[in-house]
Amino acid sequence: NAGVTQTPKFQVLKTGQSMTLQCAQDMNHEYMSWYRQDPGMGLRLIHYSVGAGITDQGEVPNGYNVSRSTTEDFPLRLLSAAPSQTSVYFCASTGVAYEQYFGPGTRLTVT
Amino acid sequence: RKEVEQDPGPFNVPEGATVAFNCTYSNSASQSFFWYRQDCRKEPKLLMSVYSSGNEDGRFTAQLNRASQYISLLIRDSKLSDSATYLCVVNMWGTNAGKSTFGDGTTLTVKP
Repeated sequence: NAGVTQTPKFQVLKTGQSMTLQCAQDMNHEYMSWYRQDPGMGLRLIHYSVGAGITDQGEVPNGYNVSRSTTEDFPLRLLSAAPSQTSVYFCASTGVAYEQYFGPGTRLTVT
Repeated sequence: RKEVEQDPGPFNVPEGATVAFNCTYSNSASQSFFWYRQDCRKEPKLLMSVYSSGNEDGRFTAQLNRASQYISLLIRDSKLSDSATYLCVVNMWGTNAGKSTFGDGTTLTVKP
């Protein structure tokens, strides 16, 4: 039972490049979320999903797209990377008591 | 005003001390409450859920005051390994249950 996995662990992009951060969970959870955490700050919700085929915006959705074609996978796409998107990205899935399980994070630097 | 507010600290305490963190939330429709622990450069991990009746897990006690809209976490007999950032988290139920709101965290350093 792997829980929530994220790839890659580290990534460096140039301004304007695009990429997809991968997230998968094996707990059959319906709810999944993407957060970003900037140095010394709290987690901010980017997008979330309440089930396959259903996504919604969080607090800071601009510059990011998501899709949810399966229960297991919830990729986050950066459309055109900007230095302001330098951050640590966490994916989480939500259990039946609304507790969240986080992946190990992706550390992204945009130069 | 932030939806979930925590004293950022840092709290610097000696081993064996008792330390308490408070968290306030602004949305009275909030239904689920949690404390998470986050170690430096790691993912947050669930420490404990917070119930209206209060709950205890070893050295940790969490309490909820719905009338005043605050949550507390008490750590007794602090250990060096308790050094971390503690995050207060609030959830709605129903269709918004996927939207957790996190406080910015309270940093605790336990010193020998």
